[in-house]
Amino acid sequence: DQQVKQNSPSLSVQEGRISILNCDYTNSMFDYFLWYKKYPAEGPTFLISISSIKDKNEDGRFTVFLNKSAKHLSLHIVPSQPGDSAVYFCAAASGGGADGLTFGKGTHLIIQP
Amino acid sequence: GAVVSQHPSWVICKSGTSVKIECRSLDFQATTMFWYRQFPKQSLMLMATSNEGSKATYEQGVEKDKFLINHASLTLSTLTVTSAHPEDSSFYICSAVWTVGNQPQHFGDGTRLSIL
Repeated sequence: DQQVKQNSPSLSVQEGRISILNCDYTNSMFDYFLWYKKYPAEGPTFLISISSIKDKNEDGRFTVFLNKSAKHLSLHIVPSQPGDSAVYFCAAASGGGADGLTFGKGTHLIIQP
Repeated sequence: GAVVSQHPSWVICKSGTSVKIECRSLDFQATTMFWYRQFPKQSLMLMATSNEGSKATYEQGVEKDKFLINHASLTLSTLTVTSAHPEDSSFYICSAVWTVGNQPQHFGDGTRLSIL
Protein backbone atom coordinates (compact mmCIF):
# COMPACT_ATOMS: atom_id res chain seq x y z
CA ASP A 1 0.00 0.00 0.00
CA GLN A 2 1.65 3.16 -1.21
CA GLN A 3 1.44 5.94 1.35
CA VAL A 4 2.92 8.59 -0.93
CA LYS A 5 1.70 8.76 -4.49
CA GLN A 6 2.90 10.69 -7.48
CA ASN A 7 0.37 9.84 -10.14
CA SER A 8 2.15 11.45 -13.06
CA PRO A 9 5.18 9.43 -14.15
CA SER A 10 6.20 12.25 -16.47
CA LEU A 11 5.43 15.88 -17.22
CA SER A 12 6.49 18.02 -20.16
CA VAL A 13 6.59 21.81 -19.79
CA GLN A 14 7.80 24.56 -22.06
CA GLU A 15 10.77 26.61 -20.90
CA GLY A 16 9.68 29.75 -19.08
CA ARG A 17 6.31 28.34 -18.08
CA ILE A 18 5.23 27.06 -14.67
CA SER A 19 5.83 23.41 -13.76
CA ILE A 20 3.42 21.92 -11.23
CA LEU A 21 4.24 18.56 -9.72
CA ASN A 22 1.67 16.87 -7.53
CA CYS A 23 1.83 14.45 -4.65
CA ASP A 24 -0.84 12.77 -2.50
CA TYR A 25 -0.41 10.95 0.77
CA THR A 26 -2.59 8.72 2.89
CA ASN A 27 -0.90 8.62 6.29
CA SER A 28 -2.30 11.35 8.54
CA MET A 29 0.71 10.96 10.85
CA PHE A 30 3.01 12.55 8.29
CA ASP A 31 4.01 15.99 9.50
CA TYR A 32 7.02 16.87 7.36
CA PHE A 33 7.16 16.87 3.58
CA LEU A 34 10.07 17.26 1.20
CA TRP A 35 10.81 17.46 -2.49
CA TYR A 36 13.98 16.02 -3.96
CA LYS A 37 15.42 16.31 -7.44
CA LYS A 38 17.38 13.46 -8.97
CA TYR A 39 19.61 13.22 -12.02
CA PRO A 40 20.64 9.83 -13.44
CA ALA A 41 23.51 8.15 -11.56
CA GLU A 42 23.29 10.67 -8.71
CA GLY A 43 21.59 10.68 -5.35
CA PRO A 44 18.51 12.80 -4.66
CA THR A 45 19.24 16.45 -3.99
CA PHE A 46 17.10 18.25 -1.43
CA LEU A 47 15.03 21.08 -2.92
CA ILE A 48 12.49 22.34 -0.45
CA SER A 49 10.45 21.16 2.51
CA ILE A 50 7.38 22.12 4.48
CA SER A 51 6.12 21.19 7.91
CA SER A 52 2.48 20.47 8.57
CA ILE A 53 2.00 23.70 10.50
CA LYS A 54 2.40 25.67 7.28
CA ASP A 55 0.56 25.64 3.99
CA LYS A 56 3.18 27.29 1.83
CA ASN A 57 6.94 27.56 1.67
CA GLU A 58 8.87 29.46 -0.95
CA ASP A 59 12.52 29.38 -1.97
CA GLY A 60 13.44 31.27 -5.09
CA ARG A 61 11.75 29.69 -8.09
CA PHE A 62 10.41 26.82 -5.98
CA THR A 63 7.21 26.92 -3.93
CA VAL A 64 5.63 24.03 -2.09
CA PHE A 65 1.95 24.09 -1.16
CA LEU A 66 0.40 21.80 1.41
CA ASN A 67 -3.31 21.05 1.69
CA LYS A 68 -3.66 18.93 4.80
CA SER A 69 -7.38 18.37 4.51
CA ALA A 70 -6.90 16.95 1.03
CA LYS A 71 -3.63 15.23 1.95
CA HIS A 72 -2.09 16.83 -1.08
CA LEU A 73 1.04 18.79 -1.79
CA SER A 74 2.42 20.35 -4.89
CA LEU A 75 5.70 21.80 -6.08
CA HIS A 76 5.61 24.84 -8.34
CA ILE A 77 8.64 25.82 -10.37
CA VAL A 78 8.48 29.16 -12.09
CA PRO A 79 9.89 29.99 -14.50
CA SER A 80 10.94 26.52 -15.63
CA GLN A 81 14.46 26.21 -16.98
CA PRO A 82 16.16 23.48 -19.05
CA GLY A 83 18.31 22.53 -16.04
CA ASP A 84 15.14 21.65 -14.15
CA SER A 85 14.72 18.53 -16.30
CA ALA A 86 15.11 15.66 -13.83
CA VAL A 87 13.09 13.20 -11.77
CA TYR A 88 11.35 14.82 -8.80
CA PHE A 89 10.52 12.79 -5.72
CA CYS A 90 7.99 13.71 -3.09
CA ALA A 91 8.79 12.38 0.38
CA ALA A 92 7.02 12.44 3.73
CA ALA A 93 7.96 11.76 7.32
CA SER A 94 6.42 11.60 10.76
CA GLY A 95 7.95 12.62 14.04
CA GLY A 96 10.07 15.26 12.36
CA GLY A 97 11.82 12.70 10.19
CA ALA A 98 13.08 10.44 12.95
CA ASP A 99 11.59 7.38 11.30
CA GLY A 100 12.99 7.91 7.82
CA LEU A 101 11.28 9.07 4.67
CA THR A 102 8.51 7.53 2.63
CA PHE A 103 8.96 8.30 -1.05
CA GLY A 104 6.69 8.51 -4.04
CA LYS A 105 7.76 6.88 -7.29
CA GLY A 106 8.83 10.14 -8.84
CA THR A 107 7.80 12.35 -11.73
CA HIS A 108 10.11 12.85 -14.68
CA LEU A 109 9.97 16.55 -15.57
CA ILE A 110 11.04 17.46 -19.09
CA ILE A 111 11.54 21.11 -19.89
CA GLN A 112 11.24 21.76 -23.59
CA PRO A 113 13.04 24.72 -25.18
CA GLY B 1 25.61 22.39 1.30
CA ALA B 2 25.74 19.14 3.21
CA VAL B 3 27.75 16.46 1.45
CA VAL B 4 27.32 12.73 1.83
CA SER B 5 29.78 10.41 0.13
CA GLN B 6 28.95 6.81 -0.68
CA HIS B 7 31.43 4.20 -1.84
CA PRO B 8 31.63 2.18 -4.02
CA SER B 9 29.29 3.50 -6.68
CA TRP B 10 29.12 0.20 -8.56
CA VAL B 11 29.76 -3.38 -7.51
CA ILE B 12 29.55 -6.56 -9.57
CA CYS B 13 30.32 -9.77 -7.75
CA LYS B 14 29.58 -13.46 -7.61
CA SER B 15 26.76 -15.02 -5.65
CA GLY B 16 27.77 -15.79 -2.07
CA THR B 17 30.10 -12.82 -1.74
CA SER B 18 29.68 -10.28 1.04
CA VAL B 19 29.73 -6.65 -0.01
CA LYS B 20 30.40 -3.62 2.18
CA ILE B 21 29.08 -0.18 1.30
CA GLU B 22 30.34 2.93 3.10
CA CYS B 23 28.43 6.13 3.75
CA ARG B 24 30.24 9.20 5.04
CA SER B 25 29.02 12.64 5.97
CA LEU B 26 31.85 14.91 4.85
CA ASP B 27 31.08 18.29 6.32
CA PHE B 28 28.74 17.61 9.21
CA GLN B 29 28.26 15.15 12.03
CA ALA B 30 25.33 12.89 11.35
CA THR B 31 23.35 11.86 14.38
CA THR B 32 21.30 9.54 12.24
CA MET B 33 21.92 7.78 8.95
CA PHE B 34 19.39 5.91 6.88
CA TRP B 35 19.73 3.14 4.32
CA TYR B 36 17.33 2.84 1.41
CA ARG B 37 16.95 0.42 -1.46
CA GLN B 38 15.41 1.05 -4.86
CA PHE B 39 14.29 -1.59 -7.31
CA PRO B 40 13.67 -0.63 -10.96
CA LYS B 41 10.66 1.59 -11.46
CA GLN B 42 9.96 1.60 -7.72
CA SER B 43 10.28 4.17 -4.97
CA LEU B 44 13.20 4.43 -2.63
CA MET B 45 12.29 2.13 0.26
CA LEU B 46 13.65 2.61 3.75
CA MET B 47 15.61 -0.42 4.96
CA ALA B 48 16.97 0.72 8.31
CA THR B 49 17.72 3.65 10.57
CA SER B 50 21.13 3.87 12.13
CA ASN B 51 22.16 5.97 15.12
CA GLU B 52 25.78 6.34 16.11
CA GLY B 53 26.81 3.90 18.79
CA SER B 54 23.59 1.93 18.88
CA LYS B 55 21.99 -0.93 17.01
CA ALA B 56 20.19 -0.16 13.79
CA THR B 57 16.42 -0.28 13.57
CA TYR B 58 15.25 -2.35 10.62
CA GLU B 59 12.02 -1.96 8.70
CA GLN B 60 9.61 -4.84 8.52
CA GLY B 61 10.69 -7.44 6.03
CA VAL B 62 14.37 -6.46 6.05
CA GLU B 63 16.60 -9.23 7.41
CA LYS B 64 19.01 -7.80 9.95
CA ASP B 65 21.34 -10.79 9.63
CA LYS B 66 21.47 -10.29 5.89
CA PHE B 67 22.03 -6.55 5.93
CA LEU B 68 24.52 -5.69 8.66
CA ILE B 69 24.71 -2.04 9.59
CA ASN B 70 27.47 -0.48 11.62
CA HIS B 71 27.49 3.16 12.65
CA ALA B 72 30.76 3.48 14.51
CA SER B 73 31.17 7.23 14.32
CA LEU B 74 29.18 10.39 13.65
CA THR B 75 30.52 10.51 10.11
CA LEU B 76 30.51 6.88 8.98
CA SER B 77 27.93 4.15 8.57
CA THR B 78 28.45 0.90 6.69
CA LEU B 79 26.02 -1.57 5.17
CA THR B 80 27.27 -5.09 4.57
CA VAL B 81 25.21 -7.35 2.35
CA THR B 82 26.19 -10.79 3.56
CA SER B 83 26.27 -13.82 1.25
CA ALA B 84 24.67 -11.80 -1.52
CA HIS B 85 22.42 -13.50 -4.06
CA PRO B 86 21.02 -12.27 -7.38
CA GLU B 87 17.78 -11.14 -5.72
CA ASP B 88 19.84 -8.70 -3.63
CA SER B 89 20.82 -6.86 -6.80
CA SER B 90 19.49 -3.35 -6.39
CA PHE B 91 20.38 0.29 -5.93
CA TYR B 92 21.37 1.01 -2.33
CA ILE B 93 21.53 4.58 -1.11
CA CYS B 94 22.27 6.18 2.22
CA SER B 95 21.28 9.47 3.73
CA ALA B 96 22.37 11.43 6.75
CA VAL B 97 20.85 14.07 8.94
CA TRP B 98 22.69 16.18 11.48
CA THR B 99 19.79 16.39 13.87
CA VAL B 100 16.33 14.98 13.84
CA GLY B 101 13.54 17.49 13.89
CA ASN B 102 12.26 18.73 10.55
CA GLN B 103 15.68 18.68 8.97
CA PRO B 104 16.17 17.37 5.43
CA GLN B 105 18.11 14.19 4.85
CA HIS B 106 21.09 14.52 2.53
CA PHE B 107 21.78 11.62 0.23
CA GLY B 108 24.84 9.94 -1.16
CA ASP B 109 25.00 9.05 -4.84
CA GLY B 110 24.07 5.42 -4.25
CA THR B 111 25.64 2.04 -4.97
CA ARG B 112 24.51 -0.14 -7.85
CA LEU B 113 24.92 -3.73 -6.68
CA SER B 114 24.80 -6.51 -9.26
CA ILE B 115 25.13 -10.10 -8.10
CA LEU B 116 25.89 -12.66 -10.79
